[in-house]
Formats: sequence, C-alpha cells, structure tokens
Amino acid sequence: DAGVTQSPTHLIKTRGQHVTLRCSPISGHKSVSWYQQVLGQGPQFIFQYYEKEERGRGNFPDRFSARQFPNYSSELNVNALLLGDSALYLCASSLVAGGNEQFFGPGTRLTVL
Amino acid sequence: AQSVTQLGSHVSVSEGALVLLRCNYSSSVPPYLFWYVQYPNQGLQLLLKYTTGATLVKGINGFEAEFKKSETSFHLTKPSAHMSDAAEYFCAVSQNFGNEKLTFGTGTRLTIIP
Repeated sequence: DAGVTQSPTHLIKTRGQHVTLRCSPISGHKSVSWYQQVLGQGPQFIFQYYEKEERGRGNFPDRFSARQFPNYSSELNVNALLLGDSALYLCASSLVAGGNEQFFGPGTRLTVL
Repeated sequence: AQSVTQLGSHVSVSEGALVLLRCNYSSSVPPYLFWYVQYPNQGLQLLLKYTTGATLVKGINGFEAEFKKSETSFHLTKPSAHMSDAAEYFCAVSQNFGNEKLTFGTGTRLTIIP
C-alpha cells in the first residue's frame, strides 16, 4: 500500500509569493494534519482536517490556510511568503480523528529567497 | 498547555552500547506520549507510543520506553546500538486520545560510533 504522498518534493519561492502544497493520505484515512519543521527544530502543528472540516489549528498566522477535498487529499496554502516560512512541511494522515496514530509523509522542502 | 523537553540535542554512543534518549513532558492532563524517528530527507516514523496501561512500552527496531508519571519522563532506550540507528529522534505529547495535535520536542540527533 502506498504511504502518505506529498508534492512537490522541493520548492523555491521568493518573498511575497504564494505557495500550494499537496498531500494524499493513506487509502482509507480520513484525517489529515499539517506540520511545519524549521531546520533544527521539532515539527509544529499547523492544521488538522477530518471529513473536510477543520478540527484544529496551531499558532500560525492567517497567511496559512488549508482545505480537504472529498477524496480526503489536502492542500496547504501560504500567502505572502516570508523568509521564515522556509521549512520542511509534513503531512500526516490517520484513519479517523482521534485515532491518534499518525503516519507521516516525506515532506515538502520549501525555500523562500 | 503541554510541552516536551529533550535533554541533549546530540548523543553519541558506540556500536553495541546502550542508547538512552531523554524526554520530559509537561501536561495538564494525562498525556499520550510518542517517540518518532526521522532519517535524513525522510518523514517521521512512529517508534512507539504510550496511551494507557502498561508503562513499559516496546516499539520497533528493539526500542522501548518507560512512562514515569512521578518523574514526568518518557525516556527511550535500546540495549545495543546498531549503525542503522543513526537518525534524529523526536519525543511528542498529545493531550488526549481525540486530539491529534502533537507537540514535539526539539529532537536528539543520535550518532553511532563504529
């Protein structure tokens, strides 16, 4: 079975631009969460979606938004990129909300110049 | 509020020696605790988790961890290190079973000396 997949693998943007990151959960998983991992730090929770509804949000500005589609895939959008947004963005899926065992994808490495 | 502290950002052990990675947590409610491993250029892989029940938890690749409520600790151990254990290790806490918002520590990079 395919694991969590994320695209693109790497991305370079300039300050002020917009970026969209994509995530496909494991087949049958209905919950998707997004994390930001800045170099040298642990991942930080951004969003959780379950059944297309936002279930949780971390301490991130409104420039960050996300959505989940009927096939349970998800997009993370970041507007007005800042240098500090450079990070590895991880997507994790779980069977149901509250399942608590999350499976992580390989991440998207975003570099903002 | 919840937080995780991992003591030692870098740990080096000889191949075959004991691995001990330290994790202390702070949580206002009974915690759910996790250890994840991250190999270079890869995502996170779950090593083991504590939810309820037995406080000594066994995971994959020979790792185990013990939940000690009195010490608010969840240290990760492995009796004999292998070269393939070299990676970054993250301890994480979740507030309750229905909350998948994981709070991670800053990680410990484990180096294995041949």
